[in-house]
Amino acid sequence: AQSVAQPEDQVNVAEGNPLTVKCTYSVSGNPYLFWYVQYPNRGLQFLLKYITGDNLVKGSYGFEAEFNKSQTSFHLKKPSALVSDSTLYFCAVRVPYSSASKIIFGSGTRLSIRP
Amino acid sequence: EAGVTQFPSHSVIEKGQTVTLRCDPISGHDNLYWYRRVMGKEIKFLLHFVKESKQDESGMPNNRFLAERTGGTYSTLKVQPAELEDSGVYFCASARSETQYFGPGTRLLVL
Repeated sequence: AQSVAQPEDQVNVAEGNPLTVKCTYSVSGNPYLFWYVQYPNRGLQFLLKYITGDNLVKGSYGFEAEFNKSQTSFHLKKPSALVSDSTLYFCAVRVPYSSASKIIFGSGTRLSIRP
Repeated sequence: EAGVTQFPSHSVIEKGQTVTLRCDPISGHDNLYWYRRVMGKEIKFLLHFVKESKQDESGMPNNRFLAERTGGTYSTLKVQPAELEDSGVYFCASARSETQYFGPGTRLLVL
């Protein structure tokens, strides 16, 4: 079965330090990978995606993610965390070239940045 | 460009009542999706419209849920009758290609 795993319910980082939010997937073929962020009382906001090409993709707010095919991972990273980055992050995958274009989401990771 | 909008933002109803959620996609997006997050669990796919046609409704939990997209513009999701387990956040998303853009969600509470 296709699935996405975010092994950490919460990640705690000090402001200014680098952060990593982990994501692994189990999908056949070459999936499209996404990160979404959810701020309080707002919808899921698209952060970045990997479709093909360079394994390191850059997104909004200084975030980037690294696609690793051998490890089936797509970890979200940021070189220097901000307190305002504290919120909920979702990793997601979509199987391309199929009749079903639905997104499969991970369970979410809450990022907490302490001043 | 206006984003995906959803109405209402919150709804509190009693078990057995009917609720209708509305989603207005980004203009020009033929693809419209409904998802929901129940009890803080994973966000789960419900169904997918391409214009006015249901492309995939494999995620609809049961026949108490009815989705429509008349004219291929806005969509409605009706729950009738609502049950306690239907409580959660219902998200709508639209897409022109591979990236789906989400609305703010409707928070539904069934008492």
